[in-house]
Amino acid sequence: GAVVSQHPSWVICKSGTSVKIECRSLDFQATTMFWYRQFPKQSLMLMATSNEGSKATYEQGVEKDKFLINHASLTLSTLTVTSAHPEDSSFYICSALRDRGEGQYFGPGTRLTVT
Amino acid sequence: QKEVEQNSGPLSVPEGAIASLNCTYSDRVSQSFFWYRQYSGKSPELIMSIYSNGDKEDGRFTAQLNKASQYVSLLIRDSQPSDSATYLCAVNGWNSGGYQKVTFGTGTKLQVIP
Repeated sequence: GAVVSQHPSWVICKSGTSVKIECRSLDFQATTMFWYRQFPKQSLMLMATSNEGSKATYEQGVEKDKFLINHASLTLSTLTVTSAHPEDSSFYICSALRDRGEGQYFGPGTRLTVT
Repeated sequence: QKEVEQNSGPLSVPEGAIASLNCTYSDRVSQSFFWYRQYSGKSPELIMSIYSNGDKEDGRFTAQLNKASQYVSLLIRDSQPSDSATYLCAVNGWNSGGYQKVTFGTGTKLQVIP
């Protein structure tokens, strides 16, 4: 297999607080991980590409100071949504790349609700 | 022009029929092509990968690639209601920094009618 986990699977937080989402590759080392956001009935939107040991590359329009990404090891990347607002409520999905040129393996996603 | 284009659908097929899903891409240097299945409310699941021209079969799924026409397709034989989902086409390339760049299509919604 190629299993990717995410934690938590869902989270509810109050406006202004920060939330950390973890993404782990369980049975392989991932040199590259990706973070996506998906609003209901909309397409996947790539937020950032995270390479182990280097700074994440953010897509245009994604605030790097608001969405902090850390890829400290070959099996773990974290996304922290800082000062969350209701408009940040979404389905956040990570994926990991096992080998260059292979397809991505997605985590099960984290559903964030900001009240 | 979008980098990866798919018809959004919905594509409705009767149970047992062949579902044909199509995708075109604009970057001629793309090397790897993938199909993902996404059920409503769930994350995508990799179902097929194809790297060279021609057909690749895996169970009821067949991926077809034509690099000259910049076209990739997915055929699902003997479609089942459980195949009802959104199918995402993805194309891999490389950005200027040497890191993998993945572009997804917006997906085609497939409905298999019992």
